[in-house]
Amino acid sequence: EAGVVQSPRYKIIEKKQPVAFWCNPISGHNTLYWYRQNLGQGPELLIRYENEEAVDDSQLPKDRFSAERLKGVDSTLKIQPAELGDSAVYLCASSPHSSGTGELFFGEGSRLTVL
Amino acid sequence: GENVEQHPSTLSVQEGDSAVIKCTYSDSASNYFPWYKQELGKGPQLIIDIRSNVGEKKDQRIAVTLNKTAKHFSLHITETQPEDSAVYFCAASITGGTSYGKLTFGQGTILTVHP
Repeated sequence: EAGVVQSPRYKIIEKKQPVAFWCNPISGHNTLYWYRQNLGQGPELLIRYENEEAVDDSQLPKDRFSAERLKGVDSTLKIQPAELGDSAVYLCASSPHSSGTGELFFGEGSRLTVL
Repeated sequence: GENVEQHPSTLSVQEGDSAVIKCTYSDSASNYFPWYKQELGKGPQLIIDIRSNVGEKKDQRIAVTLNKTAKHFSLHITETQPEDSAVYFCAASITGGTSYGKLTFGQGTILTVHP
């Protein structure tokens, strides 16, 4: 079975440019997460979806970040405009559980470098 | 919100020795505590988890203990092998209620096992 697929794996952009990341979760997983992982730190939740509904976006910087999961499957995370401090690895994860327990299956991440 | 502290930040052991990583959490409502292993260039992968109604859980060379009164939990790896070298993250979440599903990670421990 295919795991969580993310693209692109690497992206280098100049500040103020837009960037978008795409995630395809494991088939059948209704819960999808976007995490940001700064160098040497643990992942931090940006947004959680249950199907197409964003049930927790309290930590998403809404002035420049947006996300969507239109059909309850694939998801896109966008940053516009990017700032130097946005350099990080953006991890997508999915889970068949909605209760907050159980395994999260992570993709390999998209590493963003903002120059 | 929940705050998870993890120690040590780096741990170096000889092959065959045991390794112990400790975490403390702040929210007494947290009731689910997973441990993730992250290899270079990969997303985190669940290795073991424990729920608040259990004090200890073991899976081959890996064990986790939980002390709810003191709000701390630990990962124990016995008979370490070079392939155990990775970054390990503890995490905590609340199942149920308005905060369910939000996994808060510790800062990570870089484990190096020397042959």
